[in-house]
Amino acid sequence: DAKTTQPNSMESNEEEPVHLPCNHSTISGTDYIHWYRQLPSQGPEYVIHGLTSNVNNRMASLAIAEDRKSSTLILHRATLRDAAVYYCILRPNTGNQFYFGTGTSLTVIP
Amino acid sequence: DAGITQSPRHKVTETGTPVTLRCHQTENHRYMYWYRQDPGHGLRLIHYSYGVKDTDKGEVSDGYSVSRSKTEDFLLTLESATSSQTSVYFCAIRGGLAVPGSYEQYFGPGTRLTVT
Repeated sequence: DAKTTQPNSMESNEEEPVHLPCNHSTISGTDYIHWYRQLPSQGPEYVIHGLTSNVNNRMASLAIAEDRKSSTLILHRATLRDAAVYYCILRPNTGNQFYFGTGTSLTVIP
Repeated sequence: DAGITQSPRHKVTETGTPVTLRCHQTENHRYMYWYRQDPGHGLRLIHYSYGVKDTDKGEVSDGYSVSRSKTEDFLLTLESATSSQTSVYFCAIRGGLAVPGSYEQYFGPGTRLTVT
């Protein structure tokens, strides 16, 4: 199964944009890119997903490189409530399993 | 809120004793999952189920068994608990209807298990 690489931790100032990178150089053509986040003392929650095109929703934007070997989760204005561990995950089109990895711990500075 | 509950929420048990964790859902989802979360490892899949009596192994299934006799309940059993199974256990269901193709997973609140 294709794996992802993320920085262990990042910091951002409150109300500034945050770009969370993810490398997935072994991605296959049918793998979907998913992002989840886990707030302290909670289970993970879905953020966004995409296949080839950039995606936007109310929580975030997902920018996917043209060769699909990397992607970036964009939080447009970080708030203190965005402090969490963010996981970048590849899901095969026919797969039922998610491999979470260790994620990026985001600290938001007031 | 996807109607997922886990019981117990906290448990302390001794090495060698059997332990069963329960995941209950109220929305008739077909797919259910058990994960464990440990520092430095993120979440790792233990077992999952794709229907009543249909289960499959995940990446860390050794020492665990599961059962699903009803759609709403997915049980995780540690036949003989060991200290290495001290962890936080999360149950999840697969939705995906709200965002087409997302296979979105909704997680329960977790069970903190300590094996002494």
